[in-house]
Amino acid sequence: DTEVTQTPKHLVMGMTNKKSLKCEQHMGHRAMYWYKQKAKKPPELMFVYSYEKLSINESVPSRFSPECPNSSLLNLHLHALQPEDSALYLCASSQGTDNNSPLHFGNGTRLTVT
Amino acid sequence: GQNIDQPTEMTATEGAIVQINCTYQTSGFNGLFWYQQHAGEAPTFLSYNVLDGLEEKGRFSSFLSRSKGYSYLLLKELQMKDSASYLCAVRWSHSNYQLIWGAGTKLIIKP
Repeated sequence: DTEVTQTPKHLVMGMTNKKSLKCEQHMGHRAMYWYKQKAKKPPELMFVYSYEKLSINESVPSRFSPECPNSSLLNLHLHALQPEDSALYLCASSQGTDNNSPLHFGNGTRLTVT
Repeated sequence: GQNIDQPTEMTATEGAIVQINCTYQTSGFNGLFWYQQHAGEAPTFLSYNVLDGLEEKGRFSSFLSRSKGYSYLLLKELQMKDSASYLCAVRWSHSNYQLIWGAGTKLIIKP
């Protein structure tokens, strides 16, 4: 069982909908990440939170809005998405953003935008 | 920028040994990770190398040569469940120490 929990597992939404993806970890990790992964491609970094502060935004469109309510939770708010945003969205955490901290991934949310 | 190369696909036989190679650009290197990803699932951490040499973990070993910009993942006594994609990722100082990912190697195990 993964120690990073993501909900929902699957999400289908229209282009005018507003939805949120949720991620939770209880490993005491201080860094949390959102990645997007398309089929047969590697994960693509979207956002990094370090000590609950946004430290990296990889030029992600504003229709994706991250939120870190506390050190254990990470949300991704979705609004006015496009069909090309359909992908697997992965949350990950690590002890820190220093060199030898491996990322621990959740099982992802499979998002389909219709 | 950083460019990570891995073979796209490899095939091996159950019970055999397979080596998956990964090459990268040495400038800004700060560590290399190997992850396993089964289809439709999340990547899982396999190994980390930052110094030259071999790291062994059960049936899996990972090797690093920093001067050559080269790593390999060695899988022994292959099992059918080892069929997956194997992703090489480099922590790179020029990207705020975030991971730069290879495209992954799809490993197919045949009986």
